[in-house]
Amino acid sequence: GQQVMQIPQYQHVQEGEDFTTYCNSSTTLSNIQWYKQRPGGHPVFLIQLVKSGEVKKQKRLTFQFGEAKKNSSLHITATQTTDVGTYFCAGLASGGSNYKLTFGKGTLLTVNP
Amino acid sequence: DSGVTQTPKHLITATGQRVTLRCSPRSGDLSVYWYQQSLDQGLQFLIQYYNGEERAKGNILERFSAQQFPDLHSELNLSSLELGDSALYFCASATGGGSLGTDTQYFGPGTRLTVL
Repeated sequence: GQQVMQIPQYQHVQEGEDFTTYCNSSTTLSNIQWYKQRPGGHPVFLIQLVKSGEVKKQKRLTFQFGEAKKNSSLHITATQTTDVGTYFCAGLASGGSNYKLTFGKGTLLTVNP
Repeated sequence: DSGVTQTPKHLITATGQRVTLRCSPRSGDLSVYWYQQSLDQGLQFLIQYYNGEERAKGNILERFSAQQFPDLHSELNLSSLELGDSALYFCASATGGGSLGTDTQYFGPGTRLTVL
Protein backbone atom coordinates (compact mmCIF):
# COMPACT_ATOMS: atom_id res chain seq x y z
CA GLY A 1 0.00 0.00 0.00
CA GLN A 2 0.90 3.64 -0.20
CA GLN A 3 3.58 4.78 2.21
CA VAL A 4 4.70 8.29 3.06
CA MET A 5 8.06 8.53 4.75
CA GLN A 6 9.08 11.72 6.47
CA ILE A 7 12.57 12.58 7.65
CA PRO A 8 14.06 13.49 9.96
CA GLN A 9 11.92 12.31 12.85
CA TYR A 10 13.38 14.97 15.14
CA GLN A 11 15.34 18.14 14.56
CA HIS A 12 16.77 20.45 17.17
CA VAL A 13 18.13 23.79 16.04
CA GLN A 14 19.40 27.02 17.49
CA GLU A 15 17.15 29.99 16.93
CA GLY A 16 18.12 31.60 13.65
CA GLU A 17 19.24 28.38 11.98
CA ASP A 18 17.40 26.93 9.03
CA PHE A 19 15.30 23.76 9.10
CA THR A 20 14.14 21.35 6.41
CA THR A 21 11.84 18.32 6.55
CA TYR A 22 11.39 15.91 3.67
CA CYS A 23 8.51 13.76 2.59
CA ASN A 24 8.79 10.81 0.21
CA SER A 25 5.91 8.80 -1.15
CA SER A 26 6.04 5.29 -2.54
CA THR A 27 3.44 6.28 -5.14
CA THR A 28 2.76 9.30 -7.31
CA LEU A 29 0.61 11.83 -5.52
CA SER A 30 -2.29 13.95 -6.73
CA ASN A 31 -1.41 16.59 -4.20
CA ILE A 32 0.37 17.03 -0.91
CA GLN A 33 -0.62 19.07 2.11
CA TRP A 34 1.48 20.29 5.00
CA TYR A 35 0.29 20.72 8.58
CA LYS A 36 1.82 22.01 11.80
CA GLN A 37 0.88 20.69 15.21
CA ARG A 38 2.07 22.49 18.31
CA PRO A 39 2.73 20.36 21.41
CA GLY A 40 -0.64 19.50 22.94
CA GLY A 41 -2.47 21.09 20.04
CA HIS A 42 -4.27 20.07 16.90
CA PRO A 43 -3.00 19.99 13.30
CA VAL A 44 -3.22 23.30 11.50
CA PHE A 45 -3.28 23.39 7.72
CA LEU A 46 -0.32 25.24 6.22
CA ILE A 47 -0.48 24.72 2.47
CA GLN A 48 -1.42 22.47 -0.42
CA LEU A 49 0.77 21.72 -3.44
CA VAL A 50 -0.76 20.30 -6.58
CA LYS A 51 1.49 20.88 -9.58
CA SER A 52 4.68 19.07 -10.46
CA GLY A 53 7.69 21.18 -9.45
CA GLU A 54 5.52 23.67 -7.59
CA VAL A 55 7.17 26.02 -5.11
CA LYS A 56 5.17 28.12 -2.67
CA LYS A 57 6.35 30.54 -0.03
CA GLN A 58 4.74 31.77 3.15
CA LYS A 59 7.00 34.33 4.81
CA ARG A 60 9.93 32.25 6.11
CA LEU A 61 8.44 28.93 4.95
CA THR A 62 9.17 27.47 1.51
CA PHE A 63 7.32 24.43 0.24
CA GLN A 64 8.33 22.35 -2.78
CA PHE A 65 6.65 19.55 -4.68
CA GLY A 66 8.95 17.30 -6.68
CA GLU A 67 8.86 17.00 -10.45
CA ALA A 68 7.72 13.38 -10.19
CA LYS A 69 5.11 14.32 -7.56
CA LYS A 70 6.53 11.72 -5.19
CA ASN A 71 8.40 13.95 -2.81
CA SER A 72 8.06 17.27 -1.09
CA SER A 73 9.94 19.46 1.32
CA LEU A 74 9.30 22.23 3.80
CA HIS A 75 12.11 24.65 4.52
CA ILE A 76 12.05 27.23 7.31
CA THR A 77 14.57 30.05 7.12
CA ALA A 78 15.92 31.58 10.32
CA THR A 79 13.82 29.58 12.76
CA GLN A 80 12.10 31.26 15.68
CA THR A 81 10.85 29.75 18.93
CA THR A 82 7.32 30.08 17.60
CA ASP A 83 8.19 27.52 14.92
CA VAL A 84 8.33 24.75 17.53
CA GLY A 85 6.01 21.86 16.73
CA THR A 86 5.56 18.78 14.60
CA TYR A 87 5.32 19.26 10.86
CA PHE A 88 3.33 16.67 8.92
CA CYS A 89 2.93 16.07 5.26
CA ALA A 90 -0.18 14.34 3.91
CA GLY A 91 -0.12 12.82 0.47
CA LEU A 92 -3.21 12.15 -1.59
CA ALA A 93 -2.97 9.28 -4.05
CA SER A 94 -5.72 8.32 -6.41
CA GLY A 95 -6.53 4.95 -7.89
CA GLY A 96 -9.46 5.28 -10.23
CA SER A 97 -12.36 6.65 -8.21
CA ASN A 98 -10.68 5.86 -4.90
CA TYR A 99 -8.51 8.29 -3.02
CA LYS A 100 -6.10 7.47 -0.24
CA LEU A 101 -4.77 10.11 2.12
CA THR A 102 -1.64 9.12 3.98
CA PHE A 103 0.18 11.18 6.57
CA GLY A 104 3.87 11.08 7.26
CA LYS A 105 4.89 10.41 10.88
CA GLY A 106 5.99 14.02 11.18
CA THR A 107 9.15 15.89 12.10
CA LEU A 108 9.31 17.34 15.59
CA LEU A 109 11.15 20.65 15.53
CA THR A 110 12.54 22.12 18.71
CA VAL A 111 14.25 25.52 18.76
CA ASN A 112 16.76 26.61 21.35
CA PRO A 113 16.47 30.36 22.06
CA ASP B 1 -9.53 28.43 17.80
CA SER B 2 -10.53 26.70 14.56
CA GLY B 3 -14.28 26.90 15.17
CA VAL B 4 -14.59 23.12 15.27
CA THR B 5 -15.76 21.72 18.59
CA GLN B 6 -15.34 18.22 19.92
CA THR B 7 -16.75 16.59 23.00
CA PRO B 8 -15.72 15.16 25.31
CA LYS B 9 -12.12 16.34 25.73
CA HIS B 10 -11.13 13.23 27.61
CA LEU B 11 -12.70 9.81 27.87
CA ILE B 12 -11.56 6.91 29.99
CA THR B 13 -13.25 3.58 29.56
CA ALA B 14 -12.66 -0.15 29.78
CA THR B 15 -11.97 -2.77 27.15
CA GLY B 16 -15.09 -4.12 25.49
CA GLN B 17 -17.04 -0.92 26.02
CA ARG B 18 -18.61 1.40 23.46
CA VAL B 19 -18.16 5.17 23.27
CA THR B 20 -19.43 8.01 21.11
CA LEU B 21 -17.35 11.02 20.16
CA ARG B 22 -19.06 14.13 18.94
CA CYS B 23 -17.97 16.83 16.52
CA SER B 24 -19.57 20.11 15.47
CA PRO B 25 -18.07 21.60 12.31
CA ARG B 26 -17.38 25.27 11.65
CA SER B 27 -20.43 27.25 10.72
CA GLY B 28 -21.09 26.75 7.01
CA ASP B 29 -18.83 23.73 6.58
CA LEU B 30 -20.50 20.72 5.06
CA SER B 31 -17.69 18.17 5.29
CA VAL B 32 -16.52 16.39 8.41
CA TYR B 33 -13.45 14.19 8.58
CA TRP B 34 -12.38 11.88 11.40
CA TYR B 35 -8.78 11.03 12.24
CA GLN B 36 -7.00 8.86 14.78
CA GLN B 37 -3.62 9.91 16.12
CA SER B 38 -1.53 7.46 18.11
CA LEU B 39 2.15 7.38 18.96
CA ASP B 40 2.93 4.31 16.89
CA GLN B 41 0.63 4.84 13.89
CA GLY B 42 0.76 8.61 13.64
CA LEU B 43 -2.18 10.46 12.12
CA GLN B 44 -4.57 8.23 10.21
CA PHE B 45 -7.59 9.26 8.17
CA LEU B 46 -10.69 7.30 9.16
CA ILE B 47 -13.69 8.60 7.26
CA GLN B 48 -15.21 11.66 5.55
CA TYR B 49 -18.83 12.78 5.44
CA TYR B 50 -20.28 15.46 3.24
CA ASN B 51 -23.74 16.88 3.86
CA GLY B 52 -24.87 13.71 5.60
CA GLU B 53 -23.43 11.20 3.18
CA GLU B 54 -20.28 9.12 3.46
CA ARG B 55 -17.75 10.52 1.00
CA ALA B 56 -14.50 8.66 1.56
CA LYS B 57 -13.27 5.86 3.73
CA GLY B 58 -9.79 5.37 5.10
CA ASN B 59 -8.37 3.00 7.69
CA ILE B 60 -11.56 2.71 9.71
CA LEU B 61 -12.06 -0.55 11.57
CA GLU B 62 -15.34 -2.44 11.30
CA ARG B 63 -15.84 -1.88 15.04
CA PHE B 64 -15.96 1.85 14.32
CA SER B 65 -18.75 3.71 12.60
CA ALA B 66 -19.68 7.30 12.00
CA GLN B 67 -22.57 9.38 10.83
CA GLN B 68 -23.36 12.98 10.04
CA PHE B 69 -26.72 14.35 11.09
CA PRO B 70 -28.98 16.88 9.31
CA ASP B 71 -27.61 19.68 11.49
CA LEU B 72 -24.17 18.62 10.17
CA HIS B 73 -22.70 17.55 13.47
CA SER B 74 -21.05 14.16 13.36
CA GLU B 75 -20.55 11.29 15.74
CA LEU B 76 -17.88 8.61 15.73
CA ASN B 77 -18.91 5.40 17.46
CA LEU B 78 -16.23 3.05 18.73
CA SER B 79 -17.32 -0.35 19.99
CA SER B 80 -15.74 -3.47 21.50
CA LEU B 81 -12.88 -1.22 22.54
CA GLU B 82 -9.38 -2.62 22.79
CA LEU B 83 -6.29 -1.25 24.52
CA GLY B 84 -4.87 -0.34 21.12
CA ASP B 85 -7.76 2.03 20.45
CA SER B 86 -6.34 4.46 22.99
CA ALA B 87 -5.50 7.54 20.96
CA LEU B 88 -6.38 11.12 20.16
CA TYR B 89 -9.35 11.36 17.85
CA PHE B 90 -9.61 14.51 15.79
CA CYS B 91 -12.38 15.70 13.62
CA ALA B 92 -11.87 18.32 10.96
CA SER B 93 -14.29 20.25 8.83
CA ALA B 94 -14.13 21.81 5.41
CA THR B 95 -16.40 23.99 3.37
CA GLY B 96 -16.78 21.87 0.30
CA GLY B 97 -17.27 18.24 -0.45
CA GLY B 98 -14.28 18.08 -2.67
CA SER B 99 -12.37 14.91 -3.16
CA LEU B 100 -10.49 13.83 -0.09
CA GLY B 101 -7.41 15.96 0.47
CA THR B 102 -8.39 18.82 -1.80
CA ASP B 103 -10.14 21.11 0.67
CA THR B 104 -8.54 23.07 3.48
CA GLN B 105 -9.42 21.24 6.67
CA TYR B 106 -9.85 22.88 10.05
CA PHE B 107 -9.15 20.56 12.94
CA GLY B 108 -10.92 20.46 16.27
CA PRO B 109 -9.09 20.18 19.60
CA GLY B 110 -9.50 16.40 19.72
CA THR B 111 -10.85 13.82 22.14
CA ARG B 112 -8.30 11.82 24.08
CA LEU B 113 -9.55 8.26 24.53
CA THR B 114 -7.94 6.01 27.09
CA VAL B 115 -8.96 2.35 27.16
CA LEU B 116 -7.96 0.53 30.35
